Amino acid sequence: KAGVTQTPRYLIKTRGQQVTLSCSPISGHRSVSWYQQTPGQGLQFLFEYFSETQRNKGNFPGRFSGRQFSNSRSEMNVSTLELGDSALYLCASSPGPEDGYTFGSGTRLTVV
Amino acid sequence: AQTVTQSQPEMSVQEAETVTLSCTYDTSESDYYLFWYKQPPSRQMILVIRQEAYKQQNATENRFSVNFQKAAKSFSLKISDSQLGDAAMYFCAYRSAGGSEKLVFGKGTKLTVNP
Repeated sequence: KAGVTQTPRYLIKTRGQQVTLSCSPISGHRSVSWYQQTPGQGLQFLFEYFSETQRNKGNFPGRFSGRQFSNSRSEMNVSTLELGDSALYLCASSPGPEDGYTFGSGTRLTVV
Repeated sequence: AQTVTQSQPEMSVQEAETVTLSCTYDTSESDYYLFWYKQPPSRQMILVIRQEAYKQQNATENRFSVNFQKAAKSFSLKISDSQLGDAAMYFCAYRSAGGSEKLVFGKGTKLTVNP
């Protein structure tokens, strides 16, 4: 059974650019969440999607956006990149509210 | 808002010994889930064990067990017969039982296993 797949694994962008990260959940999982991990702030919640609907959003500026498609695949977009956006971005999927999330290996974004 | 606190930034244990990682949380909810995740250098978060708040029995998964004290809002992880492969960052996480499936994480504990 394939796990949660995140692409790309590594990304280097310049300040001011925008970036799109992709996440393919485990087959049958309809819930997808995104987290940002940095050494200083730890793991912070970005978004949560279920059946193409955003159910919850973390305390991030409007430059961070996301969406979920009908096949449950999800993308997140960060516009006008800042140096502070450098982080590991983790995607996780879940089959239902009583189950723990399964995480992908993340996308390491570096903004220079 | 819920918060999760891991008071031990780093811990070390000898191979084959037992180690306990601490976690406390703050919530006004009565029903919720608690998790321990492991993040090795490969950076993928791996679910170690989960506990439903309404269950008094402590969860166990092979060498991993928890001590869940609901009144004290404490959720510690015990690793028995530690192995070199257990070396990783360990994160305690909280999730509400209703509505959002958002996870609230602690800052993590780095576990080193000495041969």
